[in-house]
Amino acid sequence: QVRLQESGPGLVRPSETLSLTCTVSGSIGIYYWNWIRQPPGKELEWIGYVFFSGSSNSKPSLKRRVVMSVDTSKNEISLQLSSVTAADTAMYFCAGGPRAVAGRLEIWGRGTMVTVSA
Amino acid sequence: EIVLTQSPATLSLSPGESATLSCRASQRLSSSYFAWFQQRPGQPPRLLIYGASGRATGIPDRFSGSGSGTDFTLTISRLEPEDFAMYYCQQHDRAPLTFGGGTHVEFK
Repeated sequence: QVRLQESGPGLVRPSETLSLTCTVSGSIGIYYWNWIRQPPGKELEWIGYVFFSGSSNSKPSLKRRVVMSVDTSKNEISLQLSSVTAADTAMYFCAGGPRAVAGRLEIWGRGTMVTVSA
Repeated sequence: EIVLTQSPATLSLSPGESATLSCRASQRLSSSYFAWFQQRPGQPPRLLIYGASGRATGIPDRFSGSGSGTDFTLTISRLEPEDFAMYYCQQHDRAPLTFGGGTHVEFK
């Protein structure tokens, strides 16, 4: 069974770039890898997805700040979010959707909390 | 983007009762790309229902989904203590994927 583990810096300063990693135990090529975030006490927000081939798609309002990639040698998925503000403070989850249905979020990591503060 | 509106925001019930949660989409969407998630405090969301009515692996049959077009429903029959949680609907018919604002099923 595929398992996911997110990791990140915990605290990021405003205007800097947030970098997160999701480590996949299992086959990295059978899912589309989605990033979703959830501000404290608020609803879920989809950030985007990336496939092991490198193809990706992201939410239009975040697109200019988002870079996602897959490192098949390390079985890792990465998210970079640039020019962060306090509004980017959230729990960040990675989630896998099968190749045939990329948005069916079948497996989730436990998430990593990111706080944007000076 | 497709906006999903969930109602009610809070549902106060007792164990053994049934819960009916609603989700309305701002545009018609394919039921094949509609899902429900459960989220307990401190945990990630868990896929309950996919394709509007299919139960995900390991989900008890007291959870059922229905609906089409713009109106979808999640029914939980005979609430168990572990069912008191947040529930979110989600569509992945059209990018960007979107979630509803959630319904909190709480102890009465």
